[in-house]
Formats: sequence, C-alpha cells, structure tokens
Amino acid sequence: DGGITQSPKYLFRKEGQNVTLSCEQNLNHDAMYWYRQDPGQGLRLIYYSQIVNDFQKGDIAEGYSVSREKKESFPLTVTSAQKNPTAFYLCASSISGVTGELFFGEGSRLTVL
Amino acid sequence: AQSVSQHNHHVILSEAASLELGCNYSYGGTVNLFWYVQYPGQHLQLLLKYFSGDPLVKGIKGFEAEFIKSKFSFNLRKPSVQWSDTAEYFCAVNGMNTGFQKLVFGTGTRLLVSP
Repeated sequence: DGGITQSPKYLFRKEGQNVTLSCEQNLNHDAMYWYRQDPGQGLRLIYYSQIVNDFQKGDIAEGYSVSREKKESFPLTVTSAQKNPTAFYLCASSISGVTGELFFGEGSRLTVL
Repeated sequence: AQSVSQHNHHVILSEAASLELGCNYSYGGTVNLFWYVQYPGQHLQLLLKYFSGDPLVKGIKGFEAEFIKSKFSFNLRKPSVQWSDTAEYFCAVNGMNTGFQKLVFGTGTRLLVSP
C-alpha cells in the first residue's frame, strides 16, 4: 500500500538532547513537508522540500533541521535549541507544490521530560 | 501573508443535527481551498477541495462546502451528522500566486457528536 510512514510514533527525550523523526513515503511524490500540531494552534509549517537536495524554512523553523538526500525520505531533527519541542509532528507529501493537496502520515508525538 | 480563521473551536451536536463550520481566509489572489479531517487516532485526510468552477463542492461522507469569494469564506456543512463524524476539522488555503504553494491551516474545530 502506498503511503507515508512516520517513526517513532511516541518518543521521550531529555532536555538538551537532539532527536530525529523519520518520514518515508512510497507515493513517488516530489514535495515533502513537516508540520507541528499544538492544541488550539492548528498545523504550523516547519520545513518543506520541493525536490531532492533542496529544502526551505517554513514559518517556525528555528530549532529544527532537515535533510532531503533521497526522494522518499525527509527526516526532521529537533535540536536542543528548540525551546518548546513537546508537540505532535506531522509529515506530509504532495505530487508537487502546485495543487497543495497533501497526504499525511500518522504523526510522531515527542515529549521532552 | 495568507491566514485562515476558524471561529468555532469546539462544537457539540446531537446526532441528526445540522452542521456548519466557519472558515474565513485572508489572501488577495486566487486560492485553492481545502477541508481536512482528523478522526480520533487516525491521520489527517482530505475531506474536500475547491480549485475552480462550481463554488459548491461535495466531499466524502456527505460533507459539502461553499466558496463565497466576496466573503472570503469556505464554510463546511453537513445536513445530518452522525456519531462517527466526531473528529477535528481543519480548513486550509493555498495561495496560487506565491510560487511554491504552501498550505496554510486554520486552528481547527473539534466536533463532538453525541449519540
């Protein structure tokens, strides 16, 4: 089945540690995205990538980093510089950046202890 | 910059009641509009979308939305809700004149349908 796989589903981290969230898609989509979802704030864009080896900052990129070395993979690193990292993280993809119709993974919930 | 407002943060309805969730956006150019739904424990999925043409669009599970350009609105409606419609609903807009089109989401509306 085609789709987007995010792992891990739940993750606990101590303050000061970096953590990497995985996102893999087998939809052959060019564009991939990372959103952060907080209660009452909807989804906010962290980073996006239109093609391999290219990515752009979204609205709340501070404290995060990404890479896009392969078309199917778009990992997100939450660094120790992110002041409020506890959140639900959603990865998405789209055929291209043209239509805006996104397909989402099931999300990763990060809790910083 | 684009923005999306969803005025109802929480809505509680009884089964068979009618539903209307408000969505307003601010963007001066051509837009694509979307409603996404997140059922408990499931991933976000597309409910319906508007690109052009008939401003009344129909989606899955009996939902529909009407694009009113003069009001910058894209309200979601369903004539008779079911318990299984309990979910969080997100309106999203994609401005068509901004190069790579980023989808901007509203803050979401949590719908609880009581049996």
